[in-house]
Amino acid sequence: AQKVTQAQTEISVVEKEDVTLDCVYETRDTTYYLFWYKQPPSGELVFLIRRNSFDEQNEISGRYSWNFQKSTSSFNFTITASQVVDSAVYFCALSDADSNYQLIWGAGTKLIIKP
Amino acid sequence: NAGVTQTPKFQVLKTGQSMTLQCAQDMNHNSMYWYRQDPGMGLRLIYYSASEGTTDKGEVPNGYNVSRLNKREFSLRLESAAPSQTSVYFCASDRDQRSEQFFGPGTRLTVL
Repeated sequence: AQKVTQAQTEISVVEKEDVTLDCVYETRDTTYYLFWYKQPPSGELVFLIRRNSFDEQNEISGRYSWNFQKSTSSFNFTITASQVVDSAVYFCALSDADSNYQLIWGAGTKLIIKP
Repeated sequence: NAGVTQTPKFQVLKTGQSMTLQCAQDMNHNSMYWYRQDPGMGLRLIYYSASEGTTDKGEVPNGYNVSRLNKREFSLRLESAAPSQTSVYFCASDRDQRSEQFFGPGTRLTVL
């Protein structure tokens, strides 16, 4: 069963717009970890953030922010004032005891930022 | 620190040929992983090594073998390549299985 859902296959916005990438997860465990990775057109995978299930504080890093809501099982990612360099595929992932702490990956959201 | 390195970057094989993909990390990580990524798709775990001396199957292990040579190195072998194994292969490592994984640059493999 799919445990990480990224319902937005592709999003296209104009530069400087704000954009939110959705991630909904499913787990039976009380201890779990959530991740976001970025894969730019060059192909490498870049780690962005790791959040454990006991820390529901929102995180901000420059133009990037993450909203973790256990009540809705969501871990959404917002880019403020998007830039062309933000164009990439973004993956959300989950690890929990049920998966033996192997990463369960979402299908990814392709983000296109138009100049 | 080089992080996670992979060789080769590109490879073309004929059906039935064998090859080994090499991966090394210099971050003193305990766990290492091999993934494949097919066009337009997410990552699928082939094999992983939670610690030196152990290896386990992931989601798609058929047609592959691995060796955790030492703490730094984790190789992936294709004994008899098939066109279905055309993919981009990523190696990754982490401190432990609850930590963030760091990825190598990938190997683009084409099997004709």
